[in-house]
Amino acid sequence: GAGVSQSPSNKVTEKGKDVELRCDPISGHTALYWYRQSLGQGLEFLIYFQGNSAPDKSGLPSDRFSAERTGGSVSTLTIQRTQQEDSAVYLCASSLGRGTGNHGYTFGSGTRLTVV
Amino acid sequence: GDSVTQMEGPVTLSEEAFLTINCTYTATGYPSLFWYVQYPGEGLQLLLKATKADDKGSNKGFEATYRKETTSFHLEKGSVQVSDSAVYFCALKGSARQLTFGSGTQLTVLP
Repeated sequence: GAGVSQSPSNKVTEKGKDVELRCDPISGHTALYWYRQSLGQGLEFLIYFQGNSAPDKSGLPSDRFSAERTGGSVSTLTIQRTQQEDSAVYLCASSLGRGTGNHGYTFGSGTRLTVV
Repeated sequence: GDSVTQMEGPVTLSEEAFLTINCTYTATGYPSLFWYVQYPGEGLQLLLKATKADDKGSNKGFEATYRKETTSFHLEKGSVQVSDSAVYFCALKGSARQLTFGSGTQLTVLP
């Protein structure tokens, strides 16, 4: 598509429930990133996919968080047993790949997750 | 590890005022530096970038110069408009494979 698409745009869930957030990157972009943006804070890196390589999961805050990328395209971020501190805007970005030093990222509009 | 420190906001200016948002960084080697902007209700957009020392990135009247000696990449604009109201993020691409972002600076421009 023309841009990075994320769904849903808003999600309200009860504490303890599981949620799935979806990201559809720009066609041809081999790199995909998930970040979390909490109120008044910067962007916290969560996970990075590059082509068929093993993902870099170093930013995931706990084992309740996981992500997969099927067929090198669409990615799903799953949060199990949600907690109130998981409330944030979850941003997905894609880029052309290893040369991100010159290309930068294209971000989606994010999914605003509220855990009540 | 890599880190970015941004001027804390919020910043409120009158239209046509001069804008500076400070950004300093810590990184090994020669990182690339970026400014992203997030308008209300929208995703982050790349505003400008610089990939080596003394480079000046510019876009939409905004400028930032990559200063290795002071490890800085301050964002400037000579005359802000109401439409510039947004959150501005400084970021770097260093040794890590992902961008490292600052905490963001909220700018409000009043008519």
